[in-house]
Parts: sequence; structure tokens; C-alpha cells
Amino acid sequence: RKEVEQDPGPFNVPEGATVAFNCTYSNSASQSFFWYRQDCRKEPKLLMSVYSSGNEDGRFTAQLNRASQYISLLIRDSKLSDSATYLCVVIPLDGNKLVFGAGTILRVKS
Amino acid sequence: DTAVSQTPKYLVTQMGNDKSIKCEQNLGHDTMYWYKQDSKKFLKIMFSYNNKELIINETVPNRFSPKSPDKAHLNLHINSLELGDSAVYFCASSQELRQQNTGELFFGEGSRLTVL
Repeated sequence: RKEVEQDPGPFNVPEGATVAFNCTYSNSASQSFFWYRQDCRKEPKLLMSVYSSGNEDGRFTAQLNRASQYISLLIRDSKLSDSATYLCVVIPLDGNKLVFGAGTILRVKS
Repeated sequence: DTAVSQTPKYLVTQMGNDKSIKCEQNLGHDTMYWYKQDSKKFLKIMFSYNNKELIINETVPNRFSPKSPDKAHLNLHINSLELGDSAVYFCASSQELRQQNTGELFFGEGSRLTVL
């Protein structure tokens, strides 16, 4: 089983839609969680952290469910510019590396 | 100024050749990494260095040899290239080795290696 698993998609949504991605992780001792965004043929960039209490940044909301070992990302009022691959990232207990999921592709269409 | 820069951006070469990718960061970070992103877009860590010291070596073949002449540079040399080495190689840096709090890596733009 992969350490971090995501639905690869693609999720094709119209502008203005709300879309949600989930990600599951296998190591219950994992301690930190993040979402990264990667545009086509570009490098990944940090989108937001995921806290136990949830985290909201504008149209983006990230949540963590430790009991079920999954994290989620909700995007409201999707924009064309949100089209990208969203990477779920987990830091294991030793904290020395980031473990990336394979990403979920989002395509927002007009 | 580019924070993390790597060269070359594209590299096309024959099987069996030896090639190098260079990486430099001007962020003053202590830790640098090499990640490999394969055709399925899976981004996997290969190496990490902290203040020129090798910290992580993730079951990478011996044909891959990282070198860190100083904490601002981390180069990757690959011997006897194979078809399966074709991928995008990303260099990255972070302020410190343990990233539980920020989780932020700064990536270079990637070096797309194609082995024919």
C-alpha cells in the first residue's frame, strides 16, 4: 500500500463549482499534512497546511481526519486558474522528508 | 532572482552515457533535496543533504551520486543512464531539516531527462 493515496482524477468541473479531493495516508504516526499545487510542466508549490482544527484560506478549505487517516481539500467557486494537479503531502514521524501523493488533476472549464 | 535554479532544464541523451544536473539555491537554506517525478507524476525523494551532510538516501541505485560542495549547491551525477531514468528531476531546498511546522519546500523548475 502506498504511503499516500489520491484519486488521480481528472475532475472536470465548470467555473463556479465546488469540488473536493480526499487523500488517505497509511502511517498513523504521520504528524504533519499539506497540500501542494503543481501546474502543468512546472514545479510543485505549497498551497496550504492542514491542521487538526481545519484550515481555511479564501476559497480553499483543508481538513484532517486522524481517526480515518485522511485529509481533504475543498475548493469553492472554482476559477479557470485553479486548473492544476493537487498533491497531498505527509510528513512522517521523523520529519526528515515530505512524502507526496501522485496528485489529483483538476480541470476547470468555462 | 530565481530562488532554486537547476541546469540544464532539458537533457536528451543516449543509454549508457553519464550526465550531471546542477542545483543552486540562494535562500540561505540548510537542507537540499533531489526528487524524481516519473511519467505517472509520482514525486519521490531520492536524496537530502543538510549542511553538506547526506541525510537521506532512498534506495537509489549506485549509478546516482549526489555531491554537495557547499550548502548552497547540490549536484546530481548519473552514470550509465538507462531508459528507466527518464523523468523530471527536481531540486528543492528547505530552511531546516525537520519540516513539521512549515512543510515548505522550494523547488527548482525541474530538469527533464530523456534517455533514448
